[in-house]
Amino acid sequence: EVQLQESGPGLVKPSQSLSLTCSVTGYSITSNYWGWIRKFPGNKMEWMGYISYSGSTSYNPSLKSRISITRDTSKNQFFLQLNSVTTEDTATYYCARGYYVMDAWGQGASVTVSS
Amino acid sequence: DIRMTQSPASLSASLGETVNIECLASEDIYSDLAWYQQKPGKSPQLLIYNANSLQNGVPSRFSGSGSGTQYSLKINSLQSEDVATYFCQQYNNYPWTFGGGTKLELK
Repeated sequence: EVQLQESGPGLVKPSQSLSLTCSVTGYSITSNYWGWIRKFPGNKMEWMGYISYSGSTSYNPSLKSRISITRDTSKNQFFLQLNSVTTEDTATYYCARGYYVMDAWGQGASVTVSS
Repeated sequence: DIRMTQSPASLSASLGETVNIECLASEDIYSDLAWYQQKPGKSPQLLIYNANSLQNGVPSRFSGSGSGTQYSLKINSLQSEDVATYFCQQYNNYPWTFGGGTKLELK
């Protein structure tokens, strides 16, 4: 059974970078697609982007200049970096498996952007 | 971006009741629609994809329907474990977008 687990700092200062790790067990990230989705206070959800089995990436145009998704296949992990964060990036960040639909999700990492 | 409008934003229903949640897309999404359930403190779980296909392991009291711009999620015989927030998501056009969620509570 695939399991995903997010990890990273829960507090980030404005203008700095947000970095999260998604550790995957039970399934190789060299298969399928692996993405990041965030849920803002108030329930709005936003698809952020994905990294594919081959390492190619696709990002939400609203974030394209600030986001990077990379991976370490030796550790079966993939990563999110979001640059120049503001308080509007405060959200719960989820990693998930899937291209069109996400059929496995991590538990979520709450990130607050505050000075 | 395709805008997904869910209704109602919240609803209260009794055990055993039938519940319907609607999702309206701002343009035709050709049944490229998924429904997710998120229980309090948990991660979202895929319920329905392709508008009406039930994900493995999901109880048959859940069903999806619709076409074009209008879609719905139906829960028959509401159970206590169905208390959750439900989201729709379109995957017809990048970027994938979600509805605002429907919070379902027990009356």
